[in-house]
Formats: sequence, structure tokens, C-alpha cells
Amino acid sequence: EVQVVESGGGLVQPGRSLRLSCAASGFTFDDYAMHWVRQGPGKGLEWVSGISWNSGSIGYADSVKGRFTISRDNAKNSLYLQMNSLRAEDTALYYCAKHITQYSSGFRNGMDVWGQGTTVTVSS
Amino acid sequence: QSVLTQPPSASGTPGQRVTISCSGSSSNIGSNTVNWYQQLPGTAPKLLIYSSNQRPSGVPDRFSGSKSGTSASLAISGLQSEDEADYYCAAWDDSLNGFWVFGGGTKLTVL
Repeated sequence: EVQVVESGGGLVQPGRSLRLSCAASGFTFDDYAMHWVRQGPGKGLEWVSGISWNSGSIGYADSVKGRFTISRDNAKNSLYLQMNSLRAEDTALYYCAKHITQYSSGFRNGMDVWGQGTTVTVSS
Repeated sequence: QSVLTQPPSASGTPGQRVTISCSGSSSNIGSNTVNWYQQLPGTAPKLLIYSSNQRPSGVPDRFSGSKSGTSASLAISGLQSEDEADYYCAAWDDSLNGFWVFGGGTKLTVL
């Protein structure tokens, strides 16, 4: 079964850092780009970041650019999101999602398999 | 405010056909394909339609998608109670360095 499972969320004070992880299984992880998408409480979906299969292409939403860093370790079938200088508006459920197509250098095709998410709460 | 515009709510009775619209611009829907996601209460989004009109395996053919110009739509025929969910459209936006944009979501109620 194709599956992605997020972890690392929690309660953190404004200005602090947090690192999210996503463990992938059931597919050839290093063939696919990966994404982080978040959903604020009672809100819609917001794309946060994407990384190509070989880490050669990386993209960020303007709202997180310069504060968040996406990375992956293909040997460990894992995706990460390092979040620095966290703000209250970063409070959300963070989803890890697999890209639809293999060997995509860009992110146009979108996401198919999503995890259940990990909750990040930024509050003092 | 979301880049893609969807009606906040839609409704129908069992067996009915309903459509949900999604309006964008030349930089997103106008130049890229559209995906649709279904989010049942308390669960993660599920891919329903990709490349504007393609269904992943396992998605019933009651669900169909279309795109014309800078707008797209999702149609659900033979409405069932289990279709009650939030539906989101999404597209790649070519502005700046490019990024994914979503609609604000449409809550579908089966009466």
C-alpha cells in the first residue's frame, strides 16, 4: 500500500523552530517529487513547498520563503520540513503528499497520495 | 482569499447531478490542468480528478471533470450520501517562480 506518514508536529512558541518528517512506503520514493501542504484551523488548503525526486528543483510559497526549508533523504525514504521563525499564522495541519508523476523536475502535475497530517500550533 | 474561486456551498438530493465550479486566471487554469480533491470530514484530501478530466483508479465514474478557458468544473452524478464532503480545485500557477493554488473549497451537502 502506498503510504506517507507525517510526524514532528507540536506546540511551539513564536520565533522558535520545528522539524517535520514524512516517512514514505509502498512506492519507489526516489522516483517521485514530494510536497508539503497545510490547512489552517477551519480553513482551506495551502501549498507550502515541493521538492523534485533528486532535490534538483525546490519551490516554496511566498508565505514561507526564507523561513522554511524542504529536504529529502532518498536512502531513508523520508521527506523533511525545517520550519524556522515560526509565526501564529503558521498554525495548521501539515500534510505530506506524493507527486502524481515519476521523475518530474517540476511540480505541475500535483499530488495524489496524502498522509493524515501532523498538527503544528504556534502560540505563546 | 483563495486564488481560485469556488462557491462555498452546494447541495443536492440522492440520485441528483450536481456541479461545482472553479474560476481562475490565465496564469493558472488558463495555462495548466486542474486537479480536484475530496476531503471527507476529519480525513486527508483524496485525489478525485487529475489533468482536468482524468480519474485515478478506484474513483467511480460518477465523478467527472472538465475545463474551459480559465474555468473548470466537477460534476457528480447519481449523488450519494457518502459524497457529502468538502471539494477543492487546484492548479499550478505560472506566476513568479510558480506555485500551487487551491480554491477555497465547496462544502457539498446531500439533502
